[in-house]
Amino acid sequence: EAEVAQSPRYKITEKSQAVAFWCDPISGHATLYWYRQILGQGPELLVQFQDESVVDDSQLPKDRFSAERLKGVDSTLKIQPAELGDSAMYLCASSKDRRIYEQYFGPGTRLTVT
Amino acid sequence: AQTVTQSQPEMSVQEAETVTLSCTYDTSENNYYLFWYKQPPSRQMILVIRQEAYKQQNATENRFSVNFQKAAKSFSLKISDSQLGDTAMYFCALHNAGGTSYGKLTFGQGTILTVHP
Repeated sequence: EAEVAQSPRYKITEKSQAVAFWCDPISGHATLYWYRQILGQGPELLVQFQDESVVDDSQLPKDRFSAERLKGVDSTLKIQPAELGDSAMYLCASSKDRRIYEQYFGPGTRLTVT
Repeated sequence: AQTVTQSQPEMSVQEAETVTLSCTYDTSENNYYLFWYKQPPSRQMILVIRQEAYKQQNATENRFSVNFQKAAKSFSLKISDSQLGDTAMYFCALHNAGGTSYGKLTFGQGTILTVHP
């Protein structure tokens, strides 16, 4: 069964350092989502891609966060510089299309900023 | 703006018994979908059940069923014959099929369910 892949699974970084996360969606899925999930809370959407285009990044802190999906397949989320408040689980999800409501989630990257 | 509220931070149930998790939501759209997702400890989130807002019939998936009250904007999940593997965080989520939030999934705060042997 096809799955969304994410790496690394765990990341510890110091404040002010740069960090990057990678996501490979299910093959053929046009829509890719990055979510941030603070411990004990529900995920919040950071950015949504349709193919290689950003369709929603209204909740992305653009002063320090960036996301790209250059060829419309895999995606990278970057934080520079990391702050203590960025400690969270970063989830990637994909769906066949924005109109197709079912999203499939990856295992996530647990980020700890010290 | 759309919101999803889960008022039960934690629930517990004995194995083989039935439990109901509550969820209320708010949206200005008429065309939307509602979901329950399950996130087991240290494992990835998976879809449990979905409900299309235009359907009056409540969705059922094996031991999982929902009570969808559109006018009251309520969407509860009933788990029958609870199993130890049902222990997880459960999230209610809303997906708008139109409007400015098109394609966006909004989650509630989650309910931790523990099934006791």
